[in-house]
Amino acid sequence: GESVGLHLPTLSVQEGDNSIINCAYSNSASDYFIWYKQESGKGPQFIIDIRSNMDKRQGQRVTVLLNKTVKHLSLQIAATQPGDSAVYFCAENMNSGYSTLTFGKGTMLLVSP
Amino acid sequence: GAVVSQHPSWVICKSGTSVKIECRSLDFQATTMFWYRQFPKQSLMLMATSNEGSKATYEQGVEKDKFLINHASLTLSTLTVTSAHPEDSSFYICSARDVRRARDTGELFFGEGSRLTVL
Repeated sequence: GESVGLHLPTLSVQEGDNSIINCAYSNSASDYFIWYKQESGKGPQFIIDIRSNMDKRQGQRVTVLLNKTVKHLSLQIAATQPGDSAVYFCAENMNSGYSTLTFGKGTMLLVSP
Repeated sequence: GAVVSQHPSWVICKSGTSVKIECRSLDFQATTMFWYRQFPKQSLMLMATSNEGSKATYEQGVEKDKFLINHASLTLSTLTVTSAHPEDSSFYICSARDVRRARDTGELFFGEGSRLTVL
């Protein structure tokens, strides 16, 4: 069964707001986590990743936070734009990425102008 | 960045026919490719791991005689849905890992997906 889950299936925000998408994982052996963005009818697009030896990693307008104590992962998107509207998946992996990915259920982000 | 191409992007077929979907890594070599299946408004479910030059490894519950996978070269894996039925209608997505970067990242590169509709 799935070992990664999301709390919010749909998140609606206004353009310019900050968005936070959450993910819970259950496999304490996972050591590599990735956030993907999937637009309708397309394949997943890599956003940002983080290894278990880190708590935070920043990219362009995105930040991933990892809390290993409670096995929680979050994706923060700053100044959300309409183009950010998509489904976001967290995925976990073991062996530093060499094993197969397990995807969470996904959260749909809807950004209103 | 690395590019993974899938073909066809969509296909409609009659029940009972077989459909082949190709997954190509365009600018890198991939000893391992992965095939996922995604139903509407659901997550990606791993079907099988395609290994270059050897048999694919199927996930539990995936019929290997139904979903034939061939990984003939370092840049091409194919998924053939045999004797397709309406319940096989889905979005099929492949992914690949760049062997040159495997030591540095576990990042997978995904194709754009292939939508199969079986009438």
